[in-house]
Amino acid sequence: EAQVTQNPRYLITVTGKKLTVTCSQNMNHEYMSWYRQDPGLGLRQIYYSMNVEVTDKGDVPEGYKVSRKEKRNFPLILESPSPNQTSLYFCASSSILSGSPYNEQFFGPGTRLTVL
Amino acid sequence: QQPVQSPQAVILREGEDAVINCSSSKALYSVHWYRQKHGEAPVFLMILLKGGEQKGHEKISASFNEKKQQSSLYLTASQLSYSGTYFCGTEISYGGATNKLIFGTGTLLAVQP
Repeated sequence: EAQVTQNPRYLITVTGKKLTVTCSQNMNHEYMSWYRQDPGLGLRQIYYSMNVEVTDKGDVPEGYKVSRKEKRNFPLILESPSPNQTSLYFCASSSILSGSPYNEQFFGPGTRLTVL
Repeated sequence: QQPVQSPQAVILREGEDAVINCSSSKALYSVHWYRQKHGEAPVFLMILLKGGEQKGHEKISASFNEKKQQSSLYLTASQLSYSGTYFCGTEISYGGATNKLIFGTGTLLAVQP
């Protein structure tokens, strides 16, 4: 089954404790992206990647890191989480067609993060 | 540069129609529509491209006015399954090699029996 998986689905942590949220897709997609969703603010992009070893900042990258060492995986790293990073996080992937990554995006199930 | 969606929320009875609007202050390369049911991930509905090409859903239609930098999503004869939050995503140029896709804040649609 074609899918994007994220782990963990729920996480409660404390300020400053490093954490990683994993994202994996089995559709051989070149483009992967991380979003955070907050009430009233919609989906805001954190980082994206056009291919292996190619990553770039989205609209709200502060406090986050990513890496893309393999095509299928795109982990999100919070090196020193703070309460304002409490949010619902989605990973998404899509194919790049005619040079554009903005095709149908497939979203993972989401990770609800609470930072105390 | 986040697109503006209107209305913010709408309540319908089954069988009624609804229109959701998406407006941008920047020139658009494409417009994307997604629906998110409560507690679930967003799901792709359709893409509207410059020049009028439309790809996506069979039962939901949309328009894209490039000149006005606007798109509208039309839900006709709504069903209970249409309930959810609808997001538009607007592809805009940031001046670099790659455009960006920016999502709006969403429109909550509730269909009642």
